[in-house]
Amino acid sequence: GAVVSQHPSWVICKSGTSVKIECRSLDFQATTMFWYRQFPKQSLMLMATSNEGSKATYEQGVEKDKFLINHASLTLSTLTVTSAHPEDSSFYICSARDLKGTNTEAFFGQGTRLTVV
Amino acid sequence: KNEVEQSPQNLTAQEGEFITINCSYSVGISALHWLQQHPGGGIVSLFMLSSGKKKHGRLIATINIQEKHSSLHITASHPRDSAVYICAVANEKLTFGTGTRLTIIP
Repeated sequence: GAVVSQHPSWVICKSGTSVKIECRSLDFQATTMFWYRQFPKQSLMLMATSNEGSKATYEQGVEKDKFLINHASLTLSTLTVTSAHPEDSSFYICSARDLKGTNTEAFFGQGTRLTVV
Repeated sequence: KNEVEQSPQNLTAQEGEFITINCSYSVGISALHWLQQHPGGGIVSLFMLSSGKKKHGRLIATINIQEKHSSLHITASHPRDSAVYICAVANEKLTFGTGTRLTIIP
């Protein structure tokens, strides 16, 4: 199956700093990428949907100024957690789909465990 | 009521047992995904279904569109199958079930 690479797999940062997480589709063009957040023993919560070349669509309750999403190319989307606080500590995972095609299978990155200290 | 309900929430079984995990949904979908999440967190897509049945190795997934129900079966279960199995229904977005935590005891 297709591969989605997410980097870094884990990161520890100090409060107030910013952290960038990258999501790359390695062997297909991802017209749409999704960013999720997962708290321990809970299901994935959609944070935002990004389409290549346009602004991301954020879910209700997600601060767009805090979670900056860029999808500048068909193979790369980035999520930047700005001015991170301990409550931002979570597991972040991206998913990529090619919604222009007939195959709408979703492929997931390995996830990034963020710890803010 | 959640749009996607999974059962059971937790399942512990002996190695070799036949495993069934169920997923019911209440919305219109274009496809249904079965995903596997290991303790490290990474998610692997097992199946994408829009009708009928699919088989991959010891895994079988079925879907009944009329009844809005899908099942994931694992034959000859093995400790390495221990993971959280997640059902997700797709339209423009994916809506996830809460997952089934499966533990296979040697």
